[in-house]
Amino acid sequence: GQQLNQSPQSMFIQEGEDVSMNCTSSSIFNTWLWYKQDPGEGPVLLIALYKAGELTSNGRLTAQFGITRKDSFLNISASIPSDVGIYFCAGPLLTQGGSEKLVFGKGMKLTVNP
Amino acid sequence: DTEVTQTPKHLVMGMTNKKSLKCEQHMGHRAMYWYKQKAKKPPELMFVYSYEKLSINESVPSRFSPECPNSSLLNLHLHALQPEDSALYLCASSQVGFGIYNEQFFGPGTRLTVL
Repeated sequence: GQQLNQSPQSMFIQEGEDVSMNCTSSSIFNTWLWYKQDPGEGPVLLIALYKAGELTSNGRLTAQFGITRKDSFLNISASIPSDVGIYFCAGPLLTQGGSEKLVFGKGMKLTVNP
Repeated sequence: DTEVTQTPKHLVMGMTNKKSLKCEQHMGHRAMYWYKQKAKKPPELMFVYSYEKLSINESVPSRFSPECPNSSLLNLHLHALQPEDSALYLCASSQVGFGIYNEQFFGPGTRLTVL
């Protein structure tokens, strides 16, 4: 099946630093998604990318949809303690019923030291 | 209202028990999902309902039985579970639309422990 390779698996940074993470796939995706999951909660969508080459920002977050449609990166600038959590990339696979099956990367655990 | 609610938040059950997990949304979404998430792993899809009909079963063991009684509710009935079934069970919902991605909204999950 399709898999997403996400790296790094974890990062420890100081408050105020920037952090980048990326995701690659052996298959093409038409949409790339970045989710954040806090402990004991469900994933929350941060950014959705729909077009190859697209660069999208959401506050301090910036994400890009790779031109080959096989990769994406997420950058967080000027990190703050509440950025702590697990970040997942994901790609939706459209199914026969019209719903989407999400394929997730393995996640990147971010720790921010105040 | 962009909320997906799940009850209970925590559940401890024995291997001979029968229990149910519940999920509810009032966003008018017609697709609902069950995911299983083990610690330090990404969510794994279990079931998808589209217009209240089961459209995907990811080869889930029969001790997990989903039910979608109406467009707002999704249940997961549990019977004769094993300790390795202990995990966070997430529910999600989305619009249904062909050719475009529809955002999945996740609930907070039910933390299940099987003794």
